[in-house]
Amino acid sequence: EVQLVESGGGLVQPGRSLRLSCTASGFTFGDYAMSWVRQAPGKGLEWVGFIRSKAYGGTTEYAASVKGRFTISRDDSKSIAYLQMNSLKTEDTAVYYCTRDLRGTMVRGVIITSWGQGTMVTVSS
Amino acid sequence: NFMLTQPHSVSESPGKTVTISCTGSSGSIASNYVQWYQQRPGSAPTTVIYEDNQRPSGVPDRFSGSIDSSSNSASLTISGLKTEDEADYYCQSYDSSNQAGVFGGGTKLTVL
Repeated sequence: EVQLVESGGGLVQPGRSLRLSCTASGFTFGDYAMSWVRQAPGKGLEWVGFIRSKAYGGTTEYAASVKGRFTISRDDSKSIAYLQMNSLKTEDTAVYYCTRDLRGTMVRGVIITSWGQGTMVTVSS
Repeated sequence: NFMLTQPHSVSESPGKTVTISCTGSSGSIASNYVQWYQQRPGSAPTTVIYEDNQRPSGVPDRFSGSIDSSSNSASLTISGLKTEDEADYYCQSYDSSNQAGVFGGGTKLTVL
């Protein structure tokens, strides 16, 4: 069974940094691309970014709203994906979900097949 | 930017069939795959349809997806509605121009 467990959320001041982790189990982590998706309180889902598997270069794509501030990385030896969030803004307040893609890279888009339970990030002074 | 538009809400009675639409703003919605996600209150989303019309294991065949190129839209159809189907449903695809995932605004399904 695919399991994705996010951690690292919490309260942080505007302008500061936070790193989220996503610990995966139940599948060969290194074979799959991973995405992060967020949901502001009472709002809809927003795609944050994506990292390909190492077989496809481990390269990343980001939403315009976070490009240059957020960085996704992965440690296949530990089955962990990371979301490094810098220069946080109040509008980054959301539940952040770790997700697994169908394949190791995009084939006609991002295709999410598994979701974690999410971790809450609150950006406030 | 490519956007996906969904109705804000739909409602139907138990046992009936409901269809939720997802319309692409430009280009061809058939160019990239469309996924559908279910989010029950207080829970994380789950995938009910991927690659336009594929069901993950464990999703009942009451859920089906389709693409209509003539209207540049995707649809999620749920037949034999059950009260447990009451949830928010989101469509999702990809903006090739900006290399970014895109979600629709979500549709609240009420089963009453």
